[in-house]
Amino acid sequence: GAGVSQSPSNKVTEKGKDVELRCDPISGHTALYWYRQSLGQGLEFLIYFQGNSAPDKSGLPSDRFSAERTGGSVSTLTIQRTQQEDSAVYLCASSLSRVQETQYFGPGTRLLVL
Amino acid sequence: RKEVEQDPGPFNVPEGATVAFNCTYSNSASQSFFWYRQDCRKEPKLLMSVYSSGNEDGRFTAQLNRASQYISLLIRDSKLSDSATYLCVVNRSGGSNYKLTFGKGTLLTVNP
Repeated sequence: GAGVSQSPSNKVTEKGKDVELRCDPISGHTALYWYRQSLGQGLEFLIYFQGNSAPDKSGLPSDRFSAERTGGSVSTLTIQRTQQEDSAVYLCASSLSRVQETQYFGPGTRLLVL
Repeated sequence: RKEVEQDPGPFNVPEGATVAFNCTYSNSASQSFFWYRQDCRKEPKLLMSVYSSGNEDGRFTAQLNRASQYISLLIRDSKLSDSATYLCVVNRSGGSNYKLTFGKGTLLTVNP
């Protein structure tokens, strides 16, 4: 079946612009995660959605970052007023339910802020 | 102490070699442990979960030592296709147990 998909695969933007990244999880997966991977760094947890529960936003690095998940499926991660330090690969993952279920990752969106 | 710490490598080994990776974690209450594999410019993929009794999947063996908060991955008879970054992954405890903490990874290159 189809895996996790993300779009765009690459995004180049100018400092100060807003960007929107999209994640389409595996059908039927109720848990969705966003991570960020900077060069030479490990994956950094950003936000977690589980069904209709309030999301865990504790990993978002600043109030310029926000995310939504509509209808329990597709999610968008929005970065406002982008900064150069936002340049990274943004990875989305989904799992059937909560932890101890395998997380399946999408291919990521490579964001470059000039 | 970092939450999850790995030797970054790189490890360069010839085909057929046996190679071992180690990982330490700081949260003694962690319950779930994994090894993920990440190919260059690709997404991470689960290689195997790590169980208390140790587990084996073909050429790969994972061990967990809770007392020492230490996880290992052993790869026997290395193949060229094993070249990748290996990520040690641990869940957080309690109500946030859905959060996975990833190590920075150990880079392995298997040479012909």
